[in-house]
Amino acid sequence: KAGVTQTPRYLIKTRGQQVTLSCSPISGHRSVSWYQQTPGQGLQFLFEYFSETQRNKGNFPGRFSGRQFSNSRSEMNVSTLELGDSALYLCASSSITSVGTQYFGPGTRLLVL
Amino acid sequence: DAKTTQPNSMESNEEEPVHLPCNHSTISGTDYIHWYRQLPSQGPEYVIHGLTSNVNNRMASLAIAEDRKSSTLILHRATLRDAAVYYCILRDPLGRSQGNLIFGKGTKLSVKP
Repeated sequence: KAGVTQTPRYLIKTRGQQVTLSCSPISGHRSVSWYQQTPGQGLQFLFEYFSETQRNKGNFPGRFSGRQFSNSRSEMNVSTLELGDSALYLCASSSITSVGTQYFGPGTRLLVL
Repeated sequence: DAKTTQPNSMESNEEEPVHLPCNHSTISGTDYIHWYRQLPSQGPEYVIHGLTSNVNNRMASLAIAEDRKSSTLILHRATLRDAAVYYCILRDPLGRSQGNLIFGKGTKLSVKP
């Protein structure tokens, strides 16, 4: 099976802009989770989608949002970008039979100038 | 999810075994012990998981203490490619936060040639 894919891999934006990141899970996986990784805060959970519904949400402002489509592909959006949003954004997918095991994509590295 | 404690860093020589410890004294009866690793510039990678018994796979072995309050990830012959940050995470597959992993600081493993 193909692994989790994320596009784009690298992105440069300026403050105030918005950005949309895309994630394609492993075929058959219905759960998609998003994480933000920064040197200072480490890996932090953003949100999780399962069958097109947000099932769980981390402690991030409302500027961070996401959605999931009927084919389980997911997008996350960050509006009104701030310098502190510069990070590696990781997507992970899991199946309902995996006892919580998650499979990560390579990430999208976002730089906000 | 219960908390885990790991050493910040460890060193190993190439082709020698490595034992990475993890303490989880507040583990509940339904928590699985998961290990992930993150190589430089990559997303986290699933390594192994277990509940009560010791587990082996092609990447590593997981030794779980009888009282389940600690565990050890064993890399039988370290290679330079094993240099990474290793995360020990407890997961309850039926818990409320089933869609997110709580990452600590992990253990940064250095492998010397």
